[in-house]
Amino acid sequence: GAGVSQTPSNKVTEKGKYVELRCDPISGHTALYWYRQSLGQGPEFLIYFQGTGAADDSGLPNDRFFAVRPEGSVSTLKIQRTERGDSAVYLCASSLSGGAYEQYFGPGTRLTVT
Amino acid sequence: AQSVTQPDIHITVSEGASLELRCNYSYGATPYLFWYVQSPGQGLQLLLKYFSGDTLVQGIKGFEAEFKRSQSSFNLRKPSVHWSDAAEYFCAVGAGGYNKLIFGAGTRLAVHP
Repeated sequence: GAGVSQTPSNKVTEKGKYVELRCDPISGHTALYWYRQSLGQGPEFLIYFQGTGAADDSGLPNDRFFAVRPEGSVSTLKIQRTERGDSAVYLCASSLSGGAYEQYFGPGTRLTVT
Repeated sequence: AQSVTQPDIHITVSEGASLELRCNYSYGATPYLFWYVQSPGQGLQLLLKYFSGDTLVQGIKGFEAEFKRSQSSFNLRKPSVHWSDAAEYFCAVGAGGYNKLIFGAGTRLAVHP
């Protein structure tokens, strides 16, 4: 079956611009996660959705970052007033449910802020 | 606070040699532990996981890992490495009610023919 997909695969934007990153989870997975992976680092948790609601957004670095999942499937990570420090690979994962279920990761979106 | 340490940034082994990648964690309760592999252009793939029970867990691609509570370690092993194992390996602990993963910085494995 189809895995987690993310679009675009690459995004280059100018400092100060707004960007949206999209994640399509595996069908039937109620839990969805966003992580950020900076160069040479492991993925860092951003936010976790259970269904349509954000159950844990403790990893969002500041109020420029926001994510939605309006119908409990596709999710969009939104970054306002981008900064060069936002450059990273943004990873999305989904799992059957929250808790100890295996998280399946997408290929990521590489964001470059110039 | 929960954390994961992977002491080795880079490791190089010869094809056919054995491999051990180190992972130490800090977690107050019973940890859920994972090893993921990331190949260039690929998403993270789960190799194996430990929740409870037998402390030696078997995974895909011939990998295994041993949970040692006394040492707060969860080292990954493979008896004979193949060239296709060259990748980056991440250890992670489940936190926040196991709803998020905390990753180590990764170990990049190179395999010499």
